[in-house]
Amino acid sequence: NAGVMQNPRHLVRRRGQEARLRCSPMKGHSHVYWYRQLPEEGLKFMVYLQKENIIDESGMPKERFSAEFPKEGPSILRIQQVVRGDSAAYFCASSPPSGGSWNEQFFGPGTRLTVL
Amino acid sequence: AQSVTQLDSHVSVSEGTPVLLRCNYSSSYSPSLFWYVQHPNKGLQLLLKYTSAATLVKGINGFEAEFKKSETSFHLTKPSAHMSDAAEYFCVVSSNAGGTSYGKLTFGQGTILTVHP
Repeated sequence: NAGVMQNPRHLVRRRGQEARLRCSPMKGHSHVYWYRQLPEEGLKFMVYLQKENIIDESGMPKERFSAEFPKEGPSILRIQQVVRGDSAAYFCASSPPSGGSWNEQFFGPGTRLTVL
Repeated sequence: AQSVTQLDSHVSVSEGTPVLLRCNYSSSYSPSLFWYVQHPNKGLQLLLKYTSAATLVKGINGFEAEFKKSETSFHLTKPSAHMSDAAEYFCVVSSNAGGTSYGKLTFGQGTILTVHP
């Protein structure tokens, strides 16, 4: 059973370009979470999605950031018009559909975004 | 609201000596608590979790943690450090805040563990 897959592992963009980060959850998992880790900081929750639904986006910046988890295919975190402050590691996690705070979240290896 | 404070940003030990990584939490609801480990340029791996069962929790690689409600602490320990334990460790709290049916994870700032030969 493959773990959570993220690609690309490293992404370099120039200011003003778009960044698309992909996350394939573990088999059987229908809950996806995105976190951002800025340099020298812990991970910060961004958004929680189930298939075709955004459940909680309270950690998402109000502008330029969006996320989706379509019925088919991976979850996508999209950052439009990137700025240097977007440089960070972005982690995706997934959990099974039974819910509850005790569900372990399984993390992917992360995508390290560098904005030049 | 919930929060996590890891009391040490760096801990340095010699191989074979005990490890103590300190964590205090705050949560308005009955929390679940986790410790994750992150090796350089890798994803996060779950070490152990507390979910209101036994207060002393045993995890992988010889790590364990004790939930102390009166002290709002969840310190991570290991009797004897190994070189392969060198990594960054995150204390994490999750609760069904606001009646939600899922756990939103709140991470501490992380503790970097260095193990000397």
